[in-house]
Amino acid sequence: KNQVEQSPQSLIILEGKNCTLQCNYTVSPFSNLRWYKQDTGRGPVSLTIMTFSENTKSNGRYTATLDADTKQSSLHITASQLSDSASYICVVSAWTTSGTYKYIFGTGTRLKVLA
Amino acid sequence: EPEVTQTPSHQVTQMGQEVILRCVPISNHLYFYWYRQILGQKVEFLVSFYNNEISEKSEIFDDQFSVERPDGSNFTLKIRSTKLEDSAMYFCASSERGSLDEQFFGPGTRLTVL
Repeated sequence: KNQVEQSPQSLIILEGKNCTLQCNYTVSPFSNLRWYKQDTGRGPVSLTIMTFSENTKSNGRYTATLDADTKQSSLHITASQLSDSASYICVVSAWTTSGTYKYIFGTGTRLKVLA
Repeated sequence: EPEVTQTPSHQVTQMGQEVILRCVPISNHLYFYWYRQILGQKVEFLVSFYNNEISEKSEIFDDQFSVERPDGSNFTLKIRSTKLEDSAMYFCASSERGSLDEQFFGPGTRLTVL
């Protein structure tokens, strides 16, 4: 069964600190993996997209890694800011037999950054 | 900066009524999507749409749901006979080139079925 599991469920850190969020998936056949940031009551905003052959991708203070062999990804946030408080969602795209894609969302990690 | 817009922001309806949720994707985008998020739960993929037809749909997207691009700008999701469990936030998204491309999400429509 295609599943995306994220950990931790929630995280509280102090402003300026770094943190790493985890994503494990059992999606097959794998197409790509995305990380999104979702503020409460808003639509998700794309942070990174990685295909099978990419190990790491950065977007400012956000760095995502992908290990396609172990089916694990991480999102590292450097020098956190109060505005980083949000849910971070891992999404894995799977190929379908008709040549299109399905999108499997994780439950997200709720990050709170405190001053 | 171009953005995806959705109307209304909040829709309240009685069970059994039909609702149409509207989205205006980014103008040069060719791929369109609907997602839903039940309060406190994860986002779920409903349907993708390209070249005036459905590309892929999830198990959630049953005969109660339909999508349409009635003109060159709007993309709609219709729920024929709403159920209590349809209460959720519905997000529209669009992308320029397909699955490997970034998807831009709208702000969502909160649907409340009474």
